[in-house]
Formats: sequence, C-alpha cells, structure tokens
Amino acid sequence: DAGVIQSPRHEVTEMGQEVTLRCKPISGHNSLFWYRQTMMRGLELLIYFNNNVPIDDSGMPEDRFSAKMPNASFSTLKIQPSEPRDSAVYFCASSLGGSDHTEAFFGQGTRLTVV
Amino acid sequence: AQSVAQPEDQVNVAEGNPLTVKCTYSVSGNPYLFWYVQYPNRGLQFLLKYITGDNLVKGSYGFEAEFNKSQTSFHLKKPSALVSDSALYFCAVKLGRASKIIFGSGTRLSIRP
Repeated sequence: DAGVIQSPRHEVTEMGQEVTLRCKPISGHNSLFWYRQTMMRGLELLIYFNNNVPIDDSGMPEDRFSAKMPNASFSTLKIQPSEPRDSAVYFCASSLGGSDHTEAFFGQGTRLTVV
Repeated sequence: AQSVAQPEDQVNVAEGNPLTVKCTYSVSGNPYLFWYVQYPNRGLQFLLKYITGDNLVKGSYGFEAEFNKSQTSFHLKKPSALVSDSALYFCAVKLGRASKIIFGSGTRLSIRP
C-alpha cells in the first residue's frame, strides 16, 4: 500500500480564496483524522471520521473550515475564505478504527501558505 | 478533560549517552499510549505503543517506553543515542475503540556528536 496520500504537497493562495486539501486513506482503514500543525499551537486535531461519518469536529476552528468524507477512500478539508492565519501544515491520518489499539498512519502533509 | 503533556520543549544529549523524553497523561479509564517521531518536512511516523501487559514496550530504532500507571507517565527511552535520532517526538493517547488520538506538544530531541 502507498500509505496515506495527501494532495497537494504545497499550496500558496491569496487571502479570501477557497482552498481544498485532499486525502486518500490507507485501503481498509475506517477512521480518518485531519490535523493542523503550527509552531505556536503544535499538532491540533481538527476533525475525525469513523466509517465516513464525522464523529468529533470540535477542533474545527471556525465555520470557514469544513470537511467531508463522501466515501471510504477520499476526504477533503476546505477553507473558505482563507486567511493568513490559516497558514500551517495540514496532516491527514488513518487507522483501523474497529480495534482499540491501532496506531494512526500519517500522510506527508500539505503545507498551506495564505498571503 | 483528557490530555497529554510533554514538559520539555527540547532535550539535548551527547551521542552514545542514554536519552529520556518525558510524557504524562490525564485520562479517565485505561489509556492507549503512543510515541511518534517527525523528521523535517515529513509526516509523523509511529514508534511504539502501550496497550496492556508488560509496562516496558519496545519499538522501532532501538527505542523503548515505560508505562507507569501510578505516575501516569509514559517516558520514551533509548540506552545509547545516535545523531540520527535528532527529530521531533510526540506522545499521544487514544481513549478506546474508534476514538480520537490526542497528541502532546512535542519535544525536540537534539543529539550532538
């Protein structure tokens, strides 16, 4: 398996524009997580899904952020409109959610810069 | 609220010396504990985990961690550090089946030759 695949790897956009980050989890994994990493706040959990259903989105910072998982092999994180303070590295991770003890596998991340 | 803390932002160790990276947790119930490592411009990589049983867990690259229930700690250790161990290390806790994984703030480990 190729692991968790995120695209794009880098995104530079202007303030106010819509940004869509994409994630393909490992085949067979049924839990998916979106994290944001910044120097100031570290690694924050934004939202996670089990069996394509959002379970906890309490980490989503504002209504400008939304996430979807239309099927087991694809998820998106959208920011509309984007702001400079959204600049960060966004990670997607997946795991076998049916087991208590499985670790999460991370993608390479998307580095977002909003200018 | 469930949380995990890494009290040290940075740990500096000479190559060949033992290293310890600290982690404490606060959860209700039995936690599942993990250590991850992050190299520059990379995603997090799994190192080891504690689920149940032996309190000393062995993982990748010669790392091990000791679970201490009374002190609610899960410190990462290695008997002899390598320069290549220099990276950012994260402790994490999972709270049961199909639940979220919460990460600590990370500790930057620097190994000097």
